[in-house]
Amino acid sequence: KQEVTQIPAALSVPEGENLVLNCSFTDSAIYNLQWFRQDPGKGLTSLLLIQSSQREQTSGRLNASLDKSSGRSTLYIAASQPGDSATYLCALNSGNTPLVFGKGTRLSVIA
Amino acid sequence: DGGITQSPKYLFRKEGQNVTLSCEQNLNHDAMYWYRQDPGQGLRLIYYSQIVNDFQKGDIAEGYSVSREKKESFPLTVTSAQKNPTAFYLCASRGDSFNQPQHFGDGTRLSIL
Repeated sequence: KQEVTQIPAALSVPEGENLVLNCSFTDSAIYNLQWFRQDPGKGLTSLLLIQSSQREQTSGRLNASLDKSSGRSTLYIAASQPGDSATYLCALNSGNTPLVFGKGTRLSVIA
Repeated sequence: DGGITQSPKYLFRKEGQNVTLSCEQNLNHDAMYWYRQDPGQGLRLIYYSQIVNDFQKGDIAEGYSVSREKKESFPLTVTSAQKNPTAFYLCASRGDSFNQPQHFGDGTRLSIL
């Protein structure tokens, strides 16, 4: 059974810092990996989707990487801003089954 | 604008009462999902449906029921058998390709009176 782990559970950084969020998974037989952002009291917003054949995806200040062989993905946020404060979740898609989610990393960017 | 609409935003349930949470999407997605989110627990899958008139139990289906009579609608009923229903409920949908992103509604917060 696929298990997804996100460490740390919470992270606090000063504004302007570059940071990396981590996601590890136990089963490398995946179709894709998706990173989401969740603001308090809101639903999840899809940030990036990396297909299993890809190594990374970029959107603005965000860069997500995928290393299936080591069961790891990272979300890199450049030049962090207070508006980046949110919970970031990763989720694995193993085919015709529902996504398996990590518990998320709660990020606080301090001005 | 295409998206997922969940209603109501806040809902209160009395003891012994069934309540129904609405989820409507205009994305023409085949698959729809219901999740429960509790503090520190992450997202837990309640039910999902990959096609009209068909649905499957997720990890925590006990005390919940669903229907999928129309492609765009996937209502969730929280029955009186669900003894701890206070939580944030999220509905999601995805297109028929595995490589399409999953979309979420803004959630319904259910509390006990």
